[in-house]
Amino acid sequence: KAGVTQTPRYLIKTRGQQVTLSCSPISGHRSVSWYQQTPGQGLQFLFEYFSETQRNKGNFPGRFSGRQFSNSRSEMNVSTLELGDSALYLCASSPRGGGGYEQYFGPGTRLTVT
Amino acid sequence: DQQVKQNSPSLSVQEGRISILNCDYTNSMFDYFLWYKKYPAEGPTFLISISSIKDKNEDGRFTVFLNKSAKHLSLHIVPSQPGDSAVYFCAASLGGGGADGLTFGKGTHLIIQP
Repeated sequence: KAGVTQTPRYLIKTRGQQVTLSCSPISGHRSVSWYQQTPGQGLQFLFEYFSETQRNKGNFPGRFSGRQFSNSRSEMNVSTLELGDSALYLCASSPRGGGGYEQYFGPGTRLTVT
Repeated sequence: DQQVKQNSPSLSVQEGRISILNCDYTNSMFDYFLWYKKYPAEGPTFLISISSIKDKNEDGRFTVFLNKSAKHLSLHIVPSQPGDSAVYFCAASLGGGGADGLTFGKGTHLIIQP
Protein backbone atom coordinates (compact mmCIF):
# COMPACT_ATOMS: atom_id res chain seq x y z
CA LYS A 1 0.00 0.00 0.00
CA ALA A 2 1.17 3.50 -0.73
CA GLY A 3 1.93 5.58 2.34
CA VAL A 4 0.59 8.95 3.37
CA THR A 5 1.49 11.64 0.86
CA GLN A 6 1.66 15.36 1.47
CA THR A 7 1.97 18.22 -0.96
CA PRO A 8 3.80 20.44 -1.29
CA ARG A 9 6.91 19.30 0.56
CA TYR A 10 8.31 22.80 0.96
CA LEU A 11 6.62 26.17 0.99
CA ILE A 12 7.74 29.74 1.60
CA LYS A 13 5.09 32.34 2.38
CA THR A 14 5.02 35.92 3.57
CA ARG A 15 3.50 37.05 6.85
CA GLY A 16 -0.19 37.84 6.43
CA GLN A 17 -0.73 35.43 3.55
CA GLN A 18 -2.69 32.23 3.77
CA VAL A 19 -1.65 28.70 2.87
CA THR A 20 -3.33 25.39 2.07
CA LEU A 21 -1.59 22.06 2.60
CA SER A 22 -2.81 18.78 1.20
CA CYS A 23 -2.73 15.21 2.50
CA SER A 24 -3.71 11.89 0.95
CA PRO A 25 -4.11 9.12 3.54
CA ILE A 26 -3.30 5.46 3.19
CA SER A 27 -5.98 3.74 1.15
CA GLY A 28 -8.80 2.58 3.39
CA HIS A 29 -7.91 4.91 6.26
CA ARG A 30 -10.78 7.21 7.14
CA SER A 31 -9.14 9.14 9.96
CA VAL A 32 -6.73 11.96 9.15
CA SER A 33 -4.93 13.99 11.81
CA TRP A 34 -2.66 17.00 11.49
CA TYR A 35 0.29 17.86 13.70
CA GLN A 36 2.67 20.81 13.90
CA GLN A 37 6.32 20.19 14.74
CA THR A 38 8.58 23.02 15.91
CA PRO A 39 11.95 22.87 17.68
CA GLY A 40 10.55 24.54 20.79
CA GLN A 41 7.19 22.84 21.19
CA GLY A 42 7.83 19.49 19.55
CA LEU A 43 4.93 17.66 17.91
CA GLN A 44 1.54 19.15 18.71
CA PHE A 45 -1.89 17.91 17.71
CA LEU A 46 -3.88 20.28 15.51
CA PHE A 47 -7.06 18.38 14.63
CA GLU A 48 -8.53 15.11 13.47
CA TYR A 49 -11.07 14.38 10.77
CA PHE A 50 -13.09 11.24 10.34
CA SER A 51 -15.65 10.71 7.60
CA GLU A 52 -15.49 14.39 6.62
CA THR A 53 -16.20 15.60 10.18
CA GLN A 54 -13.79 17.30 12.52
CA ARG A 55 -13.91 15.18 15.64
CA ASN A 56 -11.10 16.56 17.75
CA LYS A 57 -9.16 19.80 17.89
CA GLY A 58 -5.98 20.80 19.65
CA ASN A 59 -5.15 24.08 21.31
CA PHE A 60 -4.54 26.22 18.23
CA PRO A 61 -6.15 29.51 17.17
CA GLY A 62 -9.00 29.64 14.70
CA ARG A 63 -6.58 30.66 11.93
CA PHE A 64 -5.85 26.96 11.64
CA SER A 65 -8.63 25.05 9.94
CA GLY A 66 -9.08 21.98 7.83
CA ARG A 67 -11.47 19.82 5.96
CA GLN A 68 -11.79 16.29 4.69
CA PHE A 69 -13.28 15.15 1.43
CA SER A 70 -15.41 12.10 0.68
CA ASN A 71 -12.33 10.22 -0.56
CA SER A 72 -10.67 10.87 2.85
CA ARG A 73 -8.15 13.30 1.40
CA SER A 74 -7.66 16.27 3.71
CA GLU A 75 -6.54 19.85 3.46
CA MET A 76 -5.27 22.16 6.15
CA ASN A 77 -5.49 25.92 5.86
CA VAL A 78 -3.68 28.60 7.83
CA SER A 79 -4.85 32.17 7.35
CA THR A 80 -3.05 35.40 8.20
CA LEU A 81 0.29 33.69 8.57
CA GLU A 82 2.59 34.70 11.41
CA LEU A 83 6.33 34.13 11.71
CA GLY A 84 5.67 31.61 14.48
CA ASP A 85 3.73 29.43 12.06
CA SER A 86 7.00 28.34 10.49
CA ALA A 87 7.08 24.63 11.18
CA LEU A 88 6.92 21.13 9.78
CA TYR A 89 3.27 20.18 9.29
CA LEU A 90 2.64 16.48 9.47
CA CYS A 91 -0.41 14.62 8.34
CA ALA A 92 -1.20 11.17 9.72
CA SER A 93 -3.84 8.63 8.87
CA SER A 94 -5.29 5.79 10.86
CA PRO A 95 -7.69 2.96 10.19
CA ARG A 96 -9.34 3.78 13.50
CA GLY A 97 -11.06 7.02 14.36
CA GLY A 98 -10.47 9.07 17.47
CA GLY A 99 -6.93 10.29 16.86
CA GLY A 100 -5.58 8.43 19.86
CA TYR A 101 -4.49 5.22 18.20
CA GLU A 102 -1.63 4.35 15.87
CA GLN A 103 -1.07 7.12 13.39
CA TYR A 104 0.84 6.63 10.14
CA PHE A 105 2.63 9.81 9.21
CA GLY A 106 3.48 11.40 5.90
CA PRO A 107 6.82 13.11 5.24
CA GLY A 108 5.47 16.54 6.15
CA THR A 109 5.30 19.97 4.57
CA ARG A 110 8.02 22.39 5.66
CA LEU A 111 6.43 25.85 5.86
CA THR A 112 8.64 28.90 6.19
CA VAL A 113 7.00 32.26 6.89
CA THR A 114 9.10 35.33 6.18
CA ASP B 1 3.01 22.04 31.11
CA GLN B 2 4.60 19.09 29.39
CA GLN B 3 2.51 15.98 29.98
CA VAL B 4 4.93 13.57 28.30
CA LYS B 5 8.61 13.94 29.08
CA GLN B 6 11.69 12.37 27.60
CA ASN B 7 14.44 13.63 29.83
CA SER B 8 17.38 12.39 27.77
CA PRO B 9 17.82 14.46 24.61
CA SER B 10 20.39 11.97 23.35
CA LEU B 11 21.70 8.48 24.03
CA SER B 12 24.73 6.71 22.62
CA VAL B 13 24.86 2.89 22.60
CA GLN B 14 27.28 0.41 21.10
CA GLU B 15 26.08 -1.80 18.28
CA GLY B 16 24.84 -5.14 19.59
CA ARG B 17 24.08 -3.83 23.08
CA ILE B 18 20.70 -2.96 24.55
CA SER B 19 19.23 0.52 24.03
CA ILE B 20 16.83 1.71 26.72
CA LEU B 21 14.79 4.84 26.05
CA ASN B 22 12.72 6.29 28.86
CA CYS B 23 9.56 8.32 29.02
CA ASP B 24 7.54 9.78 31.91
CA TYR B 25 4.01 11.13 31.87
CA THR B 26 1.99 13.20 34.28
CA ASN B 27 -1.61 12.72 33.12
CA SER B 28 -3.02 9.65 34.88
CA MET B 29 -5.87 9.59 32.36
CA PHE B 30 -3.55 8.48 29.57
CA ASP B 31 -4.28 4.84 28.79
CA TYR B 32 -2.58 4.18 25.47
CA PHE B 33 1.12 4.65 24.76
CA LEU B 34 3.15 4.52 21.58
CA TRP B 35 6.72 4.82 20.38
CA TYR B 36 7.74 6.36 17.09
CA LYS B 37 11.06 6.55 15.28
CA LYS B 38 11.96 9.48 13.06
CA TYR B 39 14.73 9.85 10.50
CA PRO B 40 15.67 13.30 9.17
CA ALA B 41 13.40 14.58 6.39
CA GLU B 42 10.83 11.84 7.05
CA GLY B 43 7.67 11.65 9.11
CA PRO B 44 7.61 9.61 12.33
CA THR B 45 7.27 5.85 11.86
CA PHE B 46 5.10 3.88 14.27
CA LEU B 47 7.10 1.24 16.17
CA ILE B 48 5.10 -0.29 18.98
CA SER B 49 2.24 0.50 21.32
CA ILE B 50 0.89 -0.64 24.65
CA SER B 51 -2.45 -0.35 26.36
CA SER B 52 -2.63 0.51 30.03
CA ILE B 53 -4.11 -2.92 30.80
CA LYS B 54 -0.73 -4.46 29.96
CA ASP B 55 2.71 -3.93 31.42
CA LYS B 56 4.75 -5.31 28.53
CA ASN B 57 4.49 -5.65 24.78
CA GLU B 58 7.05 -7.20 22.45
CA ASP B 59 7.57 -6.98 18.73
CA GLY B 60 10.78 -8.50 17.45
CA ARG B 61 13.73 -6.54 18.79
CA PHE B 62 11.46 -3.94 20.40
CA THR B 63 9.85 -4.27 23.83
CA VAL B 64 7.86 -1.60 25.61
CA PHE B 65 7.40 -1.71 29.38
CA LEU B 66 4.75 0.26 31.23
CA ASN B 67 4.82 1.05 34.94
CA LYS B 68 1.53 2.79 35.64
CA SER B 69 2.18 3.46 39.31
CA ALA B 70 5.37 5.31 38.40
CA LYS B 71 3.81 6.82 35.26
CA HIS B 72 6.83 5.59 33.35
CA LEU B 73 7.40 3.66 30.18
CA SER B 74 10.50 2.48 28.44
CA LEU B 75 11.47 1.10 25.06
CA HIS B 76 14.11 -1.62 24.90
CA ILE B 77 15.88 -2.38 21.63
CA VAL B 78 17.88 -5.60 21.62
CA PRO B 79 20.28 -5.95 19.92
CA SER B 80 20.87 -2.39 18.75
CA GLN B 81 21.74 -2.01 15.07
CA PRO B 82 23.20 0.93 13.10
CA GLY B 83 19.85 1.49 11.37
CA ASP B 84 18.30 2.17 14.77
CA SER B 85 20.08 5.53 14.90
CA ALA B 86 17.20 8.02 14.82
CA VAL B 87 15.08 10.25 17.04
CA TYR B 88 12.60 8.28 19.15
CA PHE B 89 9.36 9.84 20.33
CA CYS B 90 7.16 8.60 23.09
CA ALA B 91 3.46 9.42 22.74
CA ALA B 92 0.38 8.98 24.88
CA SER B 93 -3.33 9.28 24.38
CA LEU B 94 -6.61 8.97 26.16
CA GLY B 95 -7.24 5.94 23.94
CA GLY B 96 -10.78 5.40 22.79
CA GLY B 97 -11.86 8.69 21.39
CA GLY B 98 -8.41 10.16 22.00
CA ALA B 99 -9.91 13.61 22.24
CA ASP B 100 -6.57 15.38 22.22
CA GLY B 101 -4.90 13.18 19.62
CA LEU B 102 -1.46 11.95 20.52
CA THR B 103 0.61 13.89 23.07
CA PHE B 104 4.28 13.57 22.21
CA GLY B 105 7.48 13.90 24.17
CA LYS B 106 10.25 15.98 22.65
CA GLY B 107 12.27 12.98 21.57
CA THR B 108 15.54 11.21 22.32
CA HIS B 109 18.25 11.06 19.68
CA LEU B 110 19.63 7.51 19.71
CA ILE B 111 23.09 7.06 18.25
CA ILE B 112 24.34 3.53 17.66
CA GLN B 113 28.12 3.40 17.69
CA PRO B 114 29.83 0.73 15.55
